[in-house]
Amino acid sequence: GAVVSQHPSRVICKSGTSVKIECRSLDFQATTMFWYRQFPKQSLMLMATSNEGSKATYEQGVEKDKFLINHASLTLSTLTVTSAHPEDSSFYICSAREGGAGEQYFGPGTRLTVT
Amino acid sequence: DAKTTQPTSMDCAEGRAANLPCNHSTISGNEYVYWYRQIHSQGPQYIIHGLKNNETNEMASLIITEDRKSSTLILPHATLRDTAVYYCIVREGYGGATNKLIFGTGTLLAVQP
Repeated sequence: GAVVSQHPSRVICKSGTSVKIECRSLDFQATTMFWYRQFPKQSLMLMATSNEGSKATYEQGVEKDKFLINHASLTLSTLTVTSAHPEDSSFYICSAREGGAGEQYFGPGTRLTVT
Repeated sequence: DAKTTQPTSMDCAEGRAANLPCNHSTISGNEYVYWYRQIHSQGPQYIIHGLKNNETNEMASLIITEDRKSSTLILPHATLRDTAVYYCIVREGYGGATNKLIFGTGTLLAVQP
């Protein structure tokens, strides 16, 4: 199956700083990428959907100015958590899809800890 | 909101078939049934999907009822490595406004030695 990578796998940052997470589709062109967040013992929650070259569409309740998403190429999307706080500590997972009807493939996730 | 209902947890003996049920009584005609699983602290892994016919691949079989209101994922010979949370998701096909995966709570399958 298609491969999606994320970098870094783990990151620890201080409160008030910003953190960037990269998501790459390694063997296909991802016209659409998705960002999810997962808190301990909970399910995945969709944060936003982005199409290459367009602004991301955020789910209700997700602050677009806090979670900046850039999808500048067909193989790379980035999520920047700005002014991170301890409550932003979570498991962030990206997903990529080729075309409108293609399957969604998931990255391995990034564990963010804000101290 | 998720449009599926699954049991919270299930046990299965190693080597036996694991049958995971899912109810999706409000599924519409252009929505597919997808199954993913998530092993602890990893990203979800695609398993199988179907529209109305039963499907089989190297990982599992998917049985969809004739009225499409429920389905069952079958792992024919469960191993300890199949211990994971299994998510049943309905998703629109091409071009739909809800053409994205919305996760429910899933079923924690524990395969016992």
